[in-house]
Amino acid sequence: AQSVTQLGSHVSVSEGALVLLRCNYSSSVPPYLFWYVQYPNQGLQLLLKYTTGATLVKGINGFEAEFKKSETSFHLTKPSAHMSDAAEYFCAVSTNTGNQFYFGTGTSLTVIP
Amino acid sequence: DSGVTQTPKHLITATGQRVTLRCSPRSGDLSVYWYQQSLDQGLQFLIQYYNGEERAKGNILERFSAQQFPDLHSELNLSSLELGDSALYFCASSVGSGRGNEQFFGPGTRLTVL
Repeated sequence: AQSVTQLGSHVSVSEGALVLLRCNYSSSVPPYLFWYVQYPNQGLQLLLKYTTGATLVKGINGFEAEFKKSETSFHLTKPSAHMSDAAEYFCAVSTNTGNQFYFGTGTSLTVIP
Repeated sequence: DSGVTQTPKHLITATGQRVTLRCSPRSGDLSVYWYQQSLDQGLQFLIQYYNGEERAKGNILERFSAQQFPDLHSELNLSSLELGDSALYFCASSVGSGRGNEQFFGPGTRLTVL
């Protein structure tokens, strides 16, 4: 079975500070992992994904995530937060029997000027 | 803009009623997924179709049904609506149905049941 846990439902950072959003997964097979962002009143937009290969994945808007099998983690980072990064972030794992996504409960990121 | 369209954007109805939500996938995408987003349940997978056939089922209630038509658009039918069905319903699409295919999400339909 697959599942995702996002630690911290709310994260606040100062503009220019490091962003770190945590995601831990559980999967009975090698996981395929995704980070999506949701801006207010909008759908979800893919930030980045990990399937196989390089464990450090770079995405859009300066975000990146590192797959760490030993820690069953896929944390999302960005070196310097921008006001426009304020949004809800979701980590997801793809099932092994199809392509349904199991989403975490989301982390709301606030950027303080 | 993801290329996935959903109509209507907002829907307000009463308990016991039936509604239909519509989704048009991105051009070229054969797979359609439906998700429900609510405050207490988060984002839940409901059902997946691939090229007109049901591929996978998630936490979809028996009062809910869906189909994918030959032109690949999909409809989600919700009947005997209850207050708890109030939520944001997202449609997503991907090229294939295999694991790891990137899903593109529509803007959602906000359903309010009064």
